[in-house]
Amino acid sequence: QQPVQSPQAVILREGEDAVINCSSSKALYSVHWYRQKHGEAPVFLMILLKGGEQKGHEKISASFNEKKQQSSLYLTASQLSYSGTYFCGTDPQLNTGGFKTIFGAGTRLFVKA
Amino acid sequence: NAGVMQNPRHLVRRRGQEARLRCSPMKGHSHVYWYRQLPEEGLKFMVYLQKENIIDESGMPKERFSAEFPKEGPSILRIQQVVRGDSAAYFCASSPTRGSEQYFGPGTRLTVT
Repeated sequence: QQPVQSPQAVILREGEDAVINCSSSKALYSVHWYRQKHGEAPVFLMILLKGGEQKGHEKISASFNEKKQQSSLYLTASQLSYSGTYFCGTDPQLNTGGFKTIFGAGTRLFVKA
Repeated sequence: NAGVMQNPRHLVRRRGQEARLRCSPMKGHSHVYWYRQLPEEGLKFMVYLQKENIIDESGMPKERFSAEFPKEGPSILRIQQVVRGDSAAYFCASSPTRGSEQYFGPGTRLTVT
């Protein structure tokens, strides 16, 4: 039931790109992405509500393939401030029952200079 | 516009005592979620509430744990007769509607001695 995130961890040099994937076995209503730095609260990045939707701001964007129940987060030209743990959160379709948001186990991203 | 508020930020309880964690959602948000996080782990869903109603409590242990979100005042997560295994960070998040983006509070770090 928990969405599967991959990779579990990634190390980048400043300026490199990364893709983080999130895959669910259930039909999804929405996918959210958050970043959490050590000892801090998760911070909302973006939400995708429609199949095939893509969203983005600055150098972080995401896509949502409703049919495959998958979402990907794209980090381009990474900066040191991108370091942290990235979580996807999934909400099930209303007709499948359930109202809880389930989070993946997280992807640890470390950007080095 | 104040963000999500949680208090206390740190709470130390001895085994057998009660812990009360408070969460004030963002202004205009009527949906509140509680999550538990152990060090280096993901966010585990506990309960989802709307004003005066528990919508989904499937992630909450049946015994010792309860949650409420009264018409007036903050949402409260109550843990009775705490045990060492209850030590964790407890985050609440609020959202304007179901399935929309969630904004997290700073968390309450509960330590049971």
